[in-house]
Amino acid sequence: EPEVTQTPSHQVTQMGQEVILRCVPISNHLYFYWYRQILGQKVEFLVSFYNNEISEKSEIFDDQFSVERPDGSNFTLKIRSTKLEDSAMYFCASSETLRSGANVLTFGAGSRLTVL
Amino acid sequence: EDKVVQSPLSLVVHEGDTVTLNCSYEVTNFRSLLWYKQEKKAPTFLFMLTSSGIEKKSGRLSSILDKKELSSILNITATQTGDSAIYLCAVEGGGGADGLTFGKGTHLIIQP
Repeated sequence: EPEVTQTPSHQVTQMGQEVILRCVPISNHLYFYWYRQILGQKVEFLVSFYNNEISEKSEIFDDQFSVERPDGSNFTLKIRSTKLEDSAMYFCASSETLRSGANVLTFGAGSRLTVL
Repeated sequence: EDKVVQSPLSLVVHEGDTVTLNCSYEVTNFRSLLWYKQEKKAPTFLFMLTSSGIEKKSGRLSSILDKKELSSILNITATQTGDSAIYLCAVEGGGGADGLTFGKGTHLIIQP
């Protein structure tokens, strides 16, 4: 069954460092997303991406964050100058369509980011 | 702001029991409600409910959407230890917004 793959599975970084989380969405999917889940809290939407540009972003997704699709398969989330509160599980997801009422997202296994 | 509330937050039952998980929502422009099962890693899709499909069933799992009460339930009958997981409810809405709004989840533990 097709799946969304994410790397790394766990990254530990020092506060102030930049991190890049990588995702390979399902090949025929057109819409890509990043969500995060701080330990013990709910899954939160960060950003959606379609046709090589950001489609929507939440209040969490400030100038510290950026996304990119550098080639035909990868979708990356870059966090500049990480803060302690960026520690979370980051989930990538993709969907085939954004058609209303049919937006089924397939999630990756997540990348756990720990900022020290 | 869209809001999704799940209850209970955690539930411990014995194998063979039937459980009902609840989800209520407030969204500006409801489009669909989704249930996901989250074990150790990725949330995996269970059901999507919309105005045109308010009841879904798959094996021991079933879900109903009550658009009048702005809520949904997820039923699991004859529970097994493999059903232990966090069950997430998410709503698509907000006037064309792309992102799903998730609830905090219900942590279900099935004891042998």
